Amino acid sequence: AQTVTQSQPEMSVQEAETVTLSCTYDTSENNYYLFWYKQPPSRQMILVIRQEAYKQQNATENRFSVNFQKAAKSFSLKISDSQLGDTAMYFCAFMKPRSGNQFYFGTGTSLTVIP
Amino acid sequence: KAGVTQTPRYLIKTRGQQVTLSCSPISGHRSVSWYQQTPGQGLQFLFEYFSETQRNKGNFPGRFSGRQFSNSRSEMNVSTLELGDSALYLCASSAGTENQPQHFGDGTRLSIL
Repeated sequence: AQTVTQSQPEMSVQEAETVTLSCTYDTSENNYYLFWYKQPPSRQMILVIRQEAYKQQNATENRFSVNFQKAAKSFSLKISDSQLGDTAMYFCAFMKPRSGNQFYFGTGTSLTVIP
Repeated sequence: KAGVTQTPRYLIKTRGQQVTLSCSPISGHRSVSWYQQTPGQGLQFLFEYFSETQRNKGNFPGRFSGRQFSNSRSEMNVSTLELGDSALYLCASSAGTENQPQHFGDGTRLSIL
């Protein structure tokens, strides 16, 4: 079975600073997909960034980037120049191929950006 | 393009009752997944429907069931409600093929009294 672990239940960061959220996963698959989702207080889950395991290059989306370490099964999210609107729950998710569309989610990290 | 629509947004029921939640996916999406979100357990996968067939199922009791219609709209039913069923129920849709992210609705907040 696939498991996703987010070891930081809560984090805070000063506005304009950089913060890194951790995620580790356990799988025996060689190819799979990883995602970070954001859930603001409005509660809608929003896709932040995604990474294919067969790609060595780390994904980047504007201020958001990942550090994907396949051997260590680690997938951390770095948020640069943090903004107040980044305050939200962040969920790491894993999807294995040929599984239909089943996602496995971590328990989330609550991030607060302090003005 | 309209997003994923879930109705109702809030629901209050009592123990023993049953409830039906609805989800309309993004136009063109054939896969609909359901999740239960609680503070202690995070997001737990209930089931996924693709082209009217259940393709994946999580570890929930048989009281939780679902279906998908030919227009890809999906319903989830919970019978004999228990206090522990109080949660935010999220629906997500996607094209259903590999590497396609899921797009979530705003969820239905179910409270059991």
